Amino acid sequence: DSGVTQTPKHLITATGQRVTLRCSPRSGDLSVYWYQQSLDQGLQFLIQYYNGEERAKGNILERFSAQQFPDLHSELNLSSLELGDSALYFCASSVAPDSTNYGYTFGSGTRLTVV
Amino acid sequence: GDSVTQMEGPVTLSEEACLTINCTYTATGYPSLFWYVQYPGEGLQLLLKATKADDKGSNKGFEATYRKETTSFHLEKGSVQVSDSAVYFCALKPGSARQLTFGSGTQLTVLP
Repeated sequence: DSGVTQTPKHLITATGQRVTLRCSPRSGDLSVYWYQQSLDQGLQFLIQYYNGEERAKGNILERFSAQQFPDLHSELNLSSLELGDSALYFCASSVAPDSTNYGYTFGSGTRLTVV
Repeated sequence: GDSVTQMEGPVTLSEEACLTINCTYTATGYPSLFWYVQYPGEGLQLLLKATKADDKGSNKGFEATYRKETTSFHLEKGSVQVSDSAVYFCALKPGSARQLTFGSGTQLTVLP
């Protein structure tokens, strides 16, 4: 157990729907990162939050949004889902906004299947 | 922009064979370099890291040396085990960025 908790582990939904993925960072970590892992795109950085504020944005679609709450858990909202959004979504956390020395701690991911 | 190029897989080895997974990078400045491992059904775990040129990261018998002159960070292990079967990701973090950039991953299968 890495200490980063992601729920749900699996999610199957239809095209056009909206889902919310949840992440609780490791105790003491203030920074949360979201990544999408798909077969054709590899691991793509989506967005980073630090202590409730957005810090960096990557290849995140406008249909996707995220937030980090005062208790530091984060949610990734995916709307108007398309078949191509099927992927593994990983959350990672780190102590500081700059992860140079320690890298990240990853959760075990949420597997989203859009049918 | 910043990028990581990894040796394409899959790689299949017999137990006790030597392993090298090549990783080269393109980045501005002096990035930190990482190797992560992903076991089936799990998230990525940090395997080793190096934060400056000529640093050697090592863990669990794996090692990698930060080579600035060749912009490389190849992963090596002298004798692999069946339990090393996993996907290995090379990653970098440029000094100016806040997030890691990952390579495409290399699937390693070790046969008994």
